[in-house]
Amino acid sequence: AQTVTQSQPEMSVQEAETVTLSCTYDTSESDYYLFWYKQPPSRQMILVIRQEAYKQQNATENRFSVNFQKAAKSFSLKISDSQLGDAAMYFCSMEYGNKLVFGAGTILRVKS
Amino acid sequence: EAGVTQSPTHLIKTRGQQATLRCSPISGHTSVYWYQQALGLGLQFLLWYDEGEERNRGNFPPRFSGRQFPNYSSELNVNALELEDSALYLCASPLGFRDSWSSGKETQYFGPGTRLLVL
Repeated sequence: AQTVTQSQPEMSVQEAETVTLSCTYDTSESDYYLFWYKQPPSRQMILVIRQEAYKQQNATENRFSVNFQKAAKSFSLKISDSQLGDAAMYFCSMEYGNKLVFGAGTILRVKS
Repeated sequence: EAGVTQSPTHLIKTRGQQATLRCSPISGHTSVYWYQQALGLGLQFLLWYDEGEERNRGNFPPRFSGRQFPNYSSELNVNALELEDSALYLCASPLGFRDSWSSGKETQYFGPGTRLLVL
C-alpha cells in the first residue's frame, strides 16, 4: 500500500525566516510523482511544487524548494523568506494509480 | 483557460436525504477526480471519471456514486446521507505534463470545493 506520512501536525515560523516541512512516503513503484499542496483558510487546494521521482535534481519554485531523498523515501518542503500569505495547511501527496494519496497535513503558522 | 468549478459552495441536508454535487473540469479536459476531506480523516480519494466512464473508486460504500456527462462535467451523488458524510468535497482536473522520459503524468488542479453539512 502507498502511504504518505507527515509527522509535524503544526509548525511556526517568523516572517522572513525559513521553515522546513517533513514528509515521508512508502511505495514499491520506481516511477512516481510527489507533490506539495497548500490549503489556505479559503480551503482552495493550490499546487505548490512537484517532483518527478526519476529526477535527481530537487524541484524549486521561487521561494519553495524540496529536498528529495529517494532512497530514504523522504520529500521535505523548504519555504524561504516566509510571508504571512504562506500560512496554510500543507499536504504532501503522491500519485498512485492515477489518484493522489495524501498525508495528514501540517498547519503552518507565520508570525509577524 | 477556465479552472475547475464546483457547485454549490455549501449544501445542508438532513440524515437520510440525497445530496448532489457538481463539478466542471478544466475546459477541454476529460478527467474528473473526486476527493472527500472530512474532519479527522484527511483527504481521501473517492472516484475517478474519464471519457464518461468510472475508472476507479476509493474505499467508499456504494451510496457514493456519480456520473460524467458528454461535456465532461460530473455529478457526485451521496444517497442515504449519514452524519459522518459531512465534509468538504473536492473535485480535481488533471493537466498533463510530458517530457522525453515519462509516459505522460498529470498534475491535479482542484476546484474550490463543496462543503456538505448533514444534520
